[in-house]
Amino acid sequence: SAVISQKPSRDICQRGTSLTIQCQVDSQVTMMFWYRQQPGQSLTLIATANQGSEATYESGFVIDKFPISRPNLTFSTLTVSNMSPEDSSIYLCSANRGGHTDTQYFGPGTRLTVL
Amino acid sequence: DQQVKQNSPSLSVQEGRISILNCDYTNSMFDYFLWYKKYPAEGPTFLISISSIKDKNEDGRFTVFLNKSAKHLSLHIVPSQPGDSAVYFCAARANTGNQFYFGTGTSLTVIP
Repeated sequence: SAVISQKPSRDICQRGTSLTIQCQVDSQVTMMFWYRQQPGQSLTLIATANQGSEATYESGFVIDKFPISRPNLTFSTLTVSNMSPEDSSIYLCSANRGGHTDTQYFGPGTRLTVL
Repeated sequence: DQQVKQNSPSLSVQEGRISILNCDYTNSMFDYFLWYKKYPAEGPTFLISISSIKDKNEDGRFTVFLNKSAKHLSLHIVPSQPGDSAVYFCAARANTGNQFYFGTGTSLTVIP
């Protein structure tokens, strides 16, 4: 298994500002992902964080809005830029070791409220 | 376009009885399925998985059934306990990629 921690656990931010969320895994993993869960919705994949290269974004998500870093095999950051109230959501970091039947583990999430 | 669907947003069950949570999918390329449990203010916790080469996988009180022809899977919890009260998500992955697709979740309440 993999233990994943995220910081901060929650934040309340003003419109127009940016927030960077950190994700730390307790062991080296191949794949790291960032998800969003809006109220009453499913988990939606924002992007795959690639180590040493640019993240791979899903349809509807762009690098300017959600820049992602992954400097090594255990750490990644997601920035929510120029926030609006529509960005209020739970942001979840996830990881697996890359095997097709490998379990995908999740961090505890960051609850973001934008005023 | 929701490829994984959980049509029951909520379910209430008496303690000791069976809980059955259902999940349907549309993509015939999905071949690996997971169930997660999520408590408020926590991330999803892996519960049980099943590969498409099987139609059943059991782990203690939890059993997942897969019906590939119907593109349907279900999670059975027997006996249900109050600590099982949580939101349950099913997730599916195709053999061609790394992305998991999640259902919208079913909130299970086990009544003591």
